[in-house]
Amino acid sequence: QQQVKQSPQSLIVQKGGISIINCAYENTAFDYFPWYQQFPGKGPALLIAIRPDVSEKKEGRFTISFNKSAKQFSLHIMDSQPGDSATYFCAASRGSGTYKYIFGTGTRLKVLA
Amino acid sequence: GAVVSQHPSWVICKSGTSVKIECRSLDFQATTMFWYRQFPKQSLMLMATSNEGSKATYEQGVEKDKFLINHASLTLSTLTVTSAHPEDSSFYICSASGGAGVDEQFFGPGTRLTVL
Repeated sequence: QQQVKQSPQSLIVQKGGISIINCAYENTAFDYFPWYQQFPGKGPALLIAIRPDVSEKKEGRFTISFNKSAKQFSLHIMDSQPGDSATYFCAASRGSGTYKYIFGTGTRLKVLA
Repeated sequence: GAVVSQHPSWVICKSGTSVKIECRSLDFQATTMFWYRQFPKQSLMLMATSNEGSKATYEQGVEKDKFLINHASLTLSTLTVTSAHPEDSSFYICSASGGAGVDEQFFGPGTRLTVL
């Protein structure tokens, strides 16, 4: 019940295309869902996060879609750029930052120029 | 945004020695800090959660005596890898939370440990 399943494991997208990464969870107690971007040799950086009271959140080229009934959420990267090439992790948490994150397995995105 | 630093950014040590990694919240008070370990091309694995002034809570399978965590102040947590061995070589990342009501954890840049 603590798992967060992430797919695909890797993704190749043409410049200007849409990158879509999906995550699914089981524990209905989770109520905070962040997405992190990580470059090689660096720590993860928060991209965007959502709570279950909204179905979609957009920040610039990044959008989270959230389906509470299906217990799924996804990250959409619009107009993907070579600089977006990185590993993306979804996560789920029970509440405020004092609770641990359960991370997905990660998606390695490569955007071709 | 909130900044978390780690020191050192990389360290090489001989087998059997101990290594200390520092995690600092530079512009906020971190009531809770987390320590992760990451192997190449893998996800972050939570090792332990530490609250200021309290003993750390370790995840199942993590050796408490091997990975000593101290969270002595609201801006500093340390991870000491004792009697390090080559299998301890990894990328160690800390994160810090500003406390209840603050959703986000702020991650440090990571420390690359290589044990020879």
